Amino acid sequence: RKEVEQDPGPFNVPEGATVAFNCTYSNSASQSFFWYRQDCRKEPKLLMSVYSSGNEDGRFTAQLNRASQYISLLIRDSKLSDSATYLCVVNVDYGQNFVFGPGTRLSVLP
Amino acid sequence: DGGITQSPKYLFRKEGQNVTLSCEQNLNHDAMYWYRQDPGQGLRLIYYSQIVNDFQKGDIAEGYSVSREKKESFPLTVTSAQKNPTAFYLCASSPRLAGNNEQFFGPGTRLTVL
Repeated sequence: RKEVEQDPGPFNVPEGATVAFNCTYSNSASQSFFWYRQDCRKEPKLLMSVYSSGNEDGRFTAQLNRASQYISLLIRDSKLSDSATYLCVVNVDYGQNFVFGPGTRLSVLP
Repeated sequence: DGGITQSPKYLFRKEGQNVTLSCEQNLNHDAMYWYRQDPGQGLRLIYYSQIVNDFQKGDIAEGYSVSREKKESFPLTVTSAQKNPTAFYLCASSPRLAGNNEQFFGPGTRLTVL
């Protein structure tokens, strides 16, 4: 089993749709969690950290379920500019061990 | 204007040549990392460094070498021993503070072996 797994995608959704991505991780000692966004041929950029209580940033909501070892990202009212690959990242020990999922590609269609 | 810079943006290498990719950060971060990304795949860790003059191998270190002589700089050398070096190389840094340890990435170097 891979350390971090994500929905394989791609997701093709119309503008204005709500879309949800899931990510599961295998190491129960994982300490911190992130969603990154990566545009084609660019570097990943932090979208949001994921907190135990869940957190929201505008149209984006992240949830963490430690018991089931998964995190989710919900995007409401999708925009064309949301088209990108979304990477789930898990950090085990607040140190060097960042593990990246393979990413889920989203295409928002007009 | 703080951030991470990588150079060059594009690099072409002949087989058998060593090349060095530059990574500089002015964020005062302790930790720095090198990743490799192949088309349609996730990031894989090559090397990381948590402090000056110290670095550790990641999952795919064979054929690569690094140095960390200064806090700001973490250059990566792709040696001729790396069998399939064509890829997108990403450098990142992190403050390594508990609860505040997200990574920040440079713009990447795209290496092509001719």
